[in-house]
Amino acid sequence: GEDVEQSLFLSVREGDSSVINCTYTDSSSTYLYWYKQEPGAGLQLLTYIFSNMDMKQDQRLTVLLNKKDKHLSLRIADTQTGDSAIYFCALGSGNTGKLIFGQGTTLQVKP
Amino acid sequence: KAGVTQTPRYLIKTRGQQVTLSCSPISGHRSVSWYQQTPGQGLQFLFEYFSETQRNKGNFPGRFSGRQFSNSRSEMNVSTLELGDSALYLCASSLQGLSSEQYFGPGTRLTVT
Repeated sequence: GEDVEQSLFLSVREGDSSVINCTYTDSSSTYLYWYKQEPGAGLQLLTYIFSNMDMKQDQRLTVLLNKKDKHLSLRIADTQTGDSAIYFCALGSGNTGKLIFGQGTTLQVKP
Repeated sequence: KAGVTQTPRYLIKTRGQQVTLSCSPISGHRSVSWYQQTPGQGLQFLFEYFSETQRNKGNFPGRFSGRQFSNSRSEMNVSTLELGDSALYLCASSLQGLSSEQYFGPGTRLTVT
């Protein structure tokens, strides 16, 4: 079955850039998402990229997709303490509502 | 535009009981998906409904069921609750499924004692 892997923890200083990585096994995924989850909350959609794209930029967020290596990354520029949360990558294919999630990366931002 | 709403937000049930959770999608969205989130297993897909039909199903036992109404609101039911069913249950809505963005509700925290 499809497998999505993320590193579990990342710590950065406020103002630095954060890069959260995700690798996957199934190359048939059409849509690749990044979600943010704060304590006690649901999932907030941050951004997504189609599999036919290499990069997408949205304000402080940059998503890079390397299809050959099956690697997805999320870069957060000028990281703020409010960015502290768990970040999930998720993959989906076709026109169904099934997403496969990574285990999440906890981002800690130190002042 | 109002977001995805889930009720109730918190539930405490006893083993053997059953529970019904509700999800109201964003207005105009026709697809509702349900996920279970636990510390051990992470986020796992339960099922997806589109236009009142179950379109996709995850690997959960038959105790987990759902339905969708004509106004796209969805309910999921868990019968004969087990301790391992304690989790955060999240629903997500989208216009048609993965052809557009999926937006999640705040979740229902279910505790089984």
